[in-house]
Amino acid sequence: QQQVKQSPQSLIVQKGGISIINCAYENTAFDYFPWYQQFPGKGPALLIAIRPDVSEKKEGRFTISFNKSAKQFSLHIMDSQPGDSATYFCAASKGGRGSTLGRLYFGRGTQLTVWP
Amino acid sequence: KAGVTQTPRYLIKTRGQQVTLSCSPISGHRSVSWYQQTPGQGLQFLFEYFSETQRNKGNFPGRFSGRQFSNSRSEMNVSTLELGDSALYLCASSLEVTGELFFGEGSRLTVL
Repeated sequence: QQQVKQSPQSLIVQKGGISIINCAYENTAFDYFPWYQQFPGKGPALLIAIRPDVSEKKEGRFTISFNKSAKQFSLHIMDSQPGDSATYFCAASKGGRGSTLGRLYFGRGTQLTVWP
Repeated sequence: KAGVTQTPRYLIKTRGQQVTLSCSPISGHRSVSWYQQTPGQGLQFLFEYFSETQRNKGNFPGRFSGRQFSNSRSEMNVSTLELGDSALYLCASSLEVTGELFFGEGSRLTVL
């Protein structure tokens, strides 16, 4: 079964707007939650990641909000730009600190289109 | 620093054939993972290798296999290809300390 559920499947946002993508998980053993960005013909690239000991992490225009009790996390893209148009994947892993996190459980992806 | 390199980038095979895909991780990375990406199933974990040992395996049939060499380079093999094996196969490497995965651009396999 899908361990990480992602919504929406597609998202259209005006330039300058806020893009919000949501993910939910069931396994409370997950302790690492990354977001990946993928452009056509390319592999996924790590955008930002969070661990459950913090509720929010911000890097530039990208923010992860994490709600441990609800087992949900979301990606907010502020001031969305046409160059942000890509597919975004949330993921989760239970590797823990100091160990490799090879097994990521991915959401199904959100195709974001930012109109100029 | 060079990224994760996958070869070949594109290949076409026919049903029943076998295929070998290669992955060179980022220098210093000892962990290599493989994922299959399809429009229908998304990104699915195949296996992970660390220091030549398989540490994790996903829910794929035994036709899918892999190995890692002493220089951390990895190969995956798919035997008796089926039409449903058509996919983008992604390799990712990571440092054991941070655990962050860095993906290559993938090998796109088409099975006719």
